[in-house]
Amino acid sequence: SQQGEEDPQALSIQEGENATMNCSYKTSINNLQWYRQNSGRGLVHLILIRSNEREKHSGRLRVTLDTSKKSSSLLITASRAADTASYFCATVRGNNRLAFGKGNQVVVIP
Amino acid sequence: GAVVSQHPSRVICKSGTSVKIECRSLDFQATTMFWYRQFPKKSLMLMATSNEGSKATYEQGVEKDKFLINHASLTLSTLTVTSAHPEDSSFYICSASRLNTEAFFGQGTRLTVV
Repeated sequence: SQQGEEDPQALSIQEGENATMNCSYKTSINNLQWYRQNSGRGLVHLILIRSNEREKHSGRLRVTLDTSKKSSSLLITASRAADTASYFCATVRGNNRLAFGKGNQVVVIP
Repeated sequence: GAVVSQHPSRVICKSGTSVKIECRSLDFQATTMFWYRQFPKKSLMLMATSNEGSKATYEQGVEKDKFLINHASLTLSTLTVTSAHPEDSSFYICSASRLNTEAFFGQGTRLTVV
């Protein structure tokens, strides 16, 4: 089974609202990464948070990591229609392989 | 950021034929690249690890003879879907990364077998 399995979720929000999605994983990690995928496209790296970090910001993105609970969250503030996409968290397994969670589909309504 | 280029973006082939997908790391040398498969509205499933100069490492349940991987140089890995059948239709994505850093993904290849 894959690590980094976030709770399956489909979010539909109004433009300007915040979007929060969660991720849980099962084993110890060096880092946890969040990716975005537009429909039918490849993945784009959003943010990487290391195991010794608890929170990280990048523009409108905020990621938290709780290693005691083996969970992470991604917050997108002031969402825009262009944020409509699927978001995945991923953890690194041996040999630098990524294990992806199930993904969260976010729809931002203009 | 680093760029990974994948080609073709879409391919339609007849059942029984083989299809080759290329993945190129454009601005860094990738000793390891990865191939994923993605079904509609699903997450990415790691198929195999492509190792430069040696055999690929396949994940459990992935047929080695069906999905041939070649990593002949530090910038190019290829995935060949041999004797393709309709059930091989899927979205295939490659990635490359340096150790313990973010991965860079190709644009993906939509394979349709008719």
